[in-house]
Amino acid sequence: NAGVMQNPRHLVRRRGQEARLRCSPMKGHSHVYWYRQLPEEGLKFMVYLQKENIIDESGMPKERFSAEFPKEGPSILRIQQVVRGDSAAYFCASSPRGDRQSSYNSPLHFGNGTRLTVT
Amino acid sequence: GQNIDQPTEMTATEGAIVQINCTYQTSGFNGLFWYQQHAGEAPTFLSYNVLDGLEEKGRFSSFLSRSKGYSYLLLKELQMKDSASYLCAVRDPADYKLSFGAGTTVTVRA
Repeated sequence: NAGVMQNPRHLVRRRGQEARLRCSPMKGHSHVYWYRQLPEEGLKFMVYLQKENIIDESGMPKERFSAEFPKEGPSILRIQQVVRGDSAAYFCASSPRGDRQSSYNSPLHFGNGTRLTVT
Repeated sequence: GQNIDQPTEMTATEGAIVQINCTYQTSGFNGLFWYQQHAGEAPTFLSYNVLDGLEEKGRFSSFLSRSKGYSYLLLKELQMKDSASYLCAVRDPADYKLSFGAGTTVTVRA
């Protein structure tokens, strides 16, 4: 399967624990976007990363949330000291590149998401 | 800022046509995308418009008017499997991120 891979598919954490969500982009894609989706709501942008760089984190909460995309391995979205309000579906999407020539009409490709439940 | 509006719900009969409207007011524009999302699944790409006019792809068509900040997705010959949420999204020219509307839930009835 050459699609965007996210794991785990479902994650249950108690309040105060840490949640780590992983995303491996499609083969050949070097740009990763994380989105959060609450029930009955649309996808909300959180952060945009390239390898070893955070490009845009304007949608990330200022505290407890962090993201990385190391040179080797998947992108990680980390939520520390989770609270009930963090319960949501977290989607990762990838694209080949951000410049106009190579991705002019290329859509973002989404993974199946991680459904986080905080109890 | 980004403001993308679409109706919350629509219901139609199998075999019929449904048009989902989307209006947007965004700080930048580099294309408009439509995605389909079934409950509990990933959004999947349906169509892309960057120039004014109609793009047709099988039973699905999408229209864009940049001057009016308006798009629609047209679903023809509706099938039960078309019951899903349809998301309108505008791409930011600065970093290519997509800003999404809240989605329109389409229910197809027999």
